[in-house]
Amino acid sequence: AQSVAQPEDQVNVAEGNPLTVKCTYSVSGNPYLFWYVQYPNRGLQFLLKYITGDNLVKGSYGFEAEFNKSQTSFHLKKPSALVSDSALYFCAVRPNAGKSTFGDGTTLTVKP
Amino acid sequence: DTGVSQNPRHKITKRGQNVTFRCDPISEHNRLYWYRQTLGQGPEFLTYFQNEAQLEKSRLLSDRFSAERPKGSFSTLEIQRTEQGDSAMYLCASSPGTGPRDEQYFGPGTRLTVT
Repeated sequence: AQSVAQPEDQVNVAEGNPLTVKCTYSVSGNPYLFWYVQYPNRGLQFLLKYITGDNLVKGSYGFEAEFNKSQTSFHLKKPSALVSDSALYFCAVRPNAGKSTFGDGTTLTVKP
Repeated sequence: DTGVSQNPRHKITKRGQNVTFRCDPISEHNRLYWYRQTLGQGPEFLTYFQNEAQLEKSRLLSDRFSAERPKGSFSTLEIQRTEQGDSAMYLCASSPGTGPRDEQYFGPGTRLTVT
C-alpha cells in the first residue's frame, strides 16, 4: 500500500525568503507524485507533478519540486515566498490510474 | 471550461437522515473521484468511476454509502442513516484521461454536518 508523509504541520517563512515544504512517500512501482494547494473555502488546485525524467519539476506560481528516489522524497520549493502563497499544501502519490493517497497537509504561512 | 461543481455546498442534517450530494465534472472528463476530508487530514479516497463504471470502492466506505454515475457525466453520492462520524467535507474530482499521469481537478466540496 502507498503512503505519504508530510512531517511538518506548519511552515513559517518571511516574504522573500526561500521556502521548502517536505514530503516523503512509500509506494511499490513507479511513483507518480503530485502537489496540490488548498486556499480557504476553495477546492484543491494542482501545482505540479513528477512522472518521469528530470528530477526537478517546475509548476504553477513559481513553485518547483525535487524528486529524490533514494530518499523517497518530493519536496516542494520556491526561491522567494510571497504572502499570497500562504495556504494548505498537500502532497499526493498515485501508483496507478485509480486513487491518489494524500498526506495530511502542511500549512504554509508567509509573513510580510 | 467551468470547472468541477458540487451541490449543495453545505448540508446540515440530523442523525439518521439520508443525504445526497451531486458532482458535475469538467465536460468530457472520463474519470470521476470522490474523497472525504476531515479537519487536519488530507483527502481520503472513497470511490472512483471511469465513465459510468465504478472501478474501485474504498474499504472505508460502509454499506450506507453509495455512488452512481449513470450516464458517465454527473455523479451522486448518497449516505443513508447518517451518523455524526460522517461529518466531513466531501470532495469530488475529475481527470481527463485514464492513466495515472493526469492530475485531478477538484470541486469546492460539500460540507456535511450531522447533528
